[in-house]
Amino acid sequence: NAGVTQTPKFQVLKTGQSMTLQCAQDMNHEYMSWYRQDPGMGLRLIHYSVGAGITDQGEVPNGYNVSRSTTEDFPLRLLSAAPSQTSVYFCASRPDRVYNSPLHFGNGTRLTVT
Amino acid sequence: KQEVTQIPAALSVPEGENLVLNCSFTDSAIYNLQWFRQDPGKGLTSLLLIQSSQREQTSGRLNASLDKSSGRSTLYIAASQPGDSATYLCAVRPFQKLVFGQGTRLTINP
Repeated sequence: NAGVTQTPKFQVLKTGQSMTLQCAQDMNHEYMSWYRQDPGMGLRLIHYSVGAGITDQGEVPNGYNVSRSTTEDFPLRLLSAAPSQTSVYFCASRPDRVYNSPLHFGNGTRLTVT
Repeated sequence: KQEVTQIPAALSVPEGENLVLNCSFTDSAIYNLQWFRQDPGKGLTSLLLIQSSQREQTSGRLNASLDKSSGRSTLYIAASQPGDSATYLCAVRPFQKLVFGQGTRLTINP
């Protein structure tokens, strides 16, 4: 049972480059989300989705795009990378119809923007 | 705005001790509170989830309590082991997101 799978594990970008962080889950979860984790700031929600075709912004959405074309996948796109986007990114999912279900996290993508 | 605080930021205890980690939050309008464990370089592993209508949850040597009216939760770890060394985070769920504390880094010394 793979759970939540994130790729790549590590990435280095130059300022201005774009890239997509991949997230896939095999648990048929309706809810998926992206968080970033920064020292001293904790984990902050970037975007989330409650089902295919439905996305919404979290606390820190600027500079990031998401789409949800399937239940399984929720990619996060950086349009023009900036050094402020250097962070560890976590994808997480849960079954949305079970209201008190725990959030399951992937192992993260460590991104450095130079 | 919901804020979650965890004190202390770091804790070091000898193996075998019982210990308590603290979490406080500013807004009692939550669906649930979740405790996670994070090992270095890894993702978060859910330990316990307490629904807003519950007072505590137990799993093995872990017991989490919730007092919504005072905005507090504790995670009790019994008979600590070196393998318990990790960062422990609490998070509250107001609606469609979790609001996290910054964690307590726990070290259990053999």
